[in-house]
Amino acid sequence: QKEVEQDPGPLSVPEGAIVSLNCTYSNSAFQYFMWYRQYSRKGPELLMYTYSSGNKEDGRFTAQVDKSSKYISLFIRDSQPSDSATYLCAMSASGRRALTFGSGTRLQVQP
Amino acid sequence: DGGITQSPKYLFRKEGQNVTLSCEQNLNHDAMYWYRQDPGQGLRLIYYSQIVNDFQKGDIAEGYSVSREKKESFPLTVTSAQKNPTAFYLCASSISRDYEQYFGPGTRLTVT
Repeated sequence: QKEVEQDPGPLSVPEGAIVSLNCTYSNSAFQYFMWYRQYSRKGPELLMYTYSSGNKEDGRFTAQVDKSSKYISLFIRDSQPSDSATYLCAMSASGRRALTFGSGTRLQVQP
Repeated sequence: DGGITQSPKYLFRKEGQNVTLSCEQNLNHDAMYWYRQDPGQGLRLIYYSQIVNDFQKGDIAEGYSVSREKKESFPLTVTSAQKNPTAFYLCASSISRDYEQYFGPGTRLTVT
């Protein structure tokens, strides 16, 4: 079983919809949680960074962490065709060497 | 502009040849990383370095080598010992361990 599970999609939504992307994980030591957006053939771009549990909002993006359920979410409001990309969750434990990534969810926003 | 550069963007090599991928950052970050990405898979850690002249193996280090002689540079050599070298290679850096990582644009290596 993978440490981080992420539905690969593709997830197709109409423009303006609210999108919910999710990851589950098994390692209770994870404390740092990130969401990256990756366009085709490009490097991942950091969208959100949260520590421990709670919510964080940045413009149209909201990240939620529920450590009790080992579940993290990224919500995108008023989705745009330019949001069409692969979204990767990533996480790490304090003092751990590097990030553990989910396999990514491909999102398509239809105009 | 601060950032991470990787070169070249595309690289083609014959089987049996070693090849070196470049990664340079001007963010003054201490930590640097190399990841490999295959279609439909997440990123897998090859090597990482927390400080100059020090580096550690990641989960899939076999067939790869690195050096860290300067803070801003972390080149990756894909050797002929790597069984399946064709992949998208990503370099990242962070202020230090436990901080968010920023990625370069990647190098797509094709070995035939």
